[in-house]
Amino acid sequence: NAGVTQTPKFQVLKTGQSMTLQCAQDMNHEYMSWYRQDPGMGLRLIHYSVGAGITDQGEVPNGYNVSRSTTEDFPLRLLSAAPSQTSVYFCASSRGQGLFFGSGTQLSVL
Amino acid sequence: AQSVSQHNHHVILSEAASLELGCNYSYGGTVNLFWYVQYPGQHLQLLLKYFSGDPLVKGIKGFEAEFIKSKFSFNLRKPSVQWSDTAEYFCAVNVHTNAGKSTFGDGTTLTVKP
Repeated sequence: NAGVTQTPKFQVLKTGQSMTLQCAQDMNHEYMSWYRQDPGMGLRLIHYSVGAGITDQGEVPNGYNVSRSTTEDFPLRLLSAAPSQTSVYFCASSRGQGLFFGSGTQLSVL
Repeated sequence: AQSVSQHNHHVILSEAASLELGCNYSYGGTVNLFWYVQYPGQHLQLLLKYFSGDPLVKGIKGFEAEFIKSKFSFNLRKPSVQWSDTAEYFCAVNVHTNAGKSTFGDGTTLTVKP
């Protein structure tokens, strides 16, 4: 079982560049979410979705966009990368009984 | 909005010592509670969860947690830790009516000395 698949695992961007972090799950979970993990700050919710076509903002949404056109996919778009977006990003999916996490994307913005 | 507070940022124990990690949440309504573990270099995994019923829940690897509603607490315990329990532990909460939106504490790093 693949579970939650995130790509890429590592990425280096220059300030102002845009990119998309991919996330796919094969468990038919209705809920999907994106978190960023920074040292000493735990995980902070960026955006989440309760089903295809429905997204909402989390705690730290600025600078990020999401869409959920299918149940399986939930990409995260960085519109114009900034050094403050250097972080580890985790995608997660759930049926409401606890989150299943992807392996993460380590992003550095120079 | 809900929030989660973990009291200990870094805990160091010797093998066979007992463990208790504190977690308090703030929210006036019904919540679901979780503990996740992140081993070095790995992604987060669910350790245990509480939705309703018996306030003492058991999870994987001998961990348990007790929900005390009057104290808004959900502390994690293990009677005897092992070196392999070295990891970062996160407490999380979501609101019963919005299970897609989980809020995490800042995490507690546990180091177990052999």
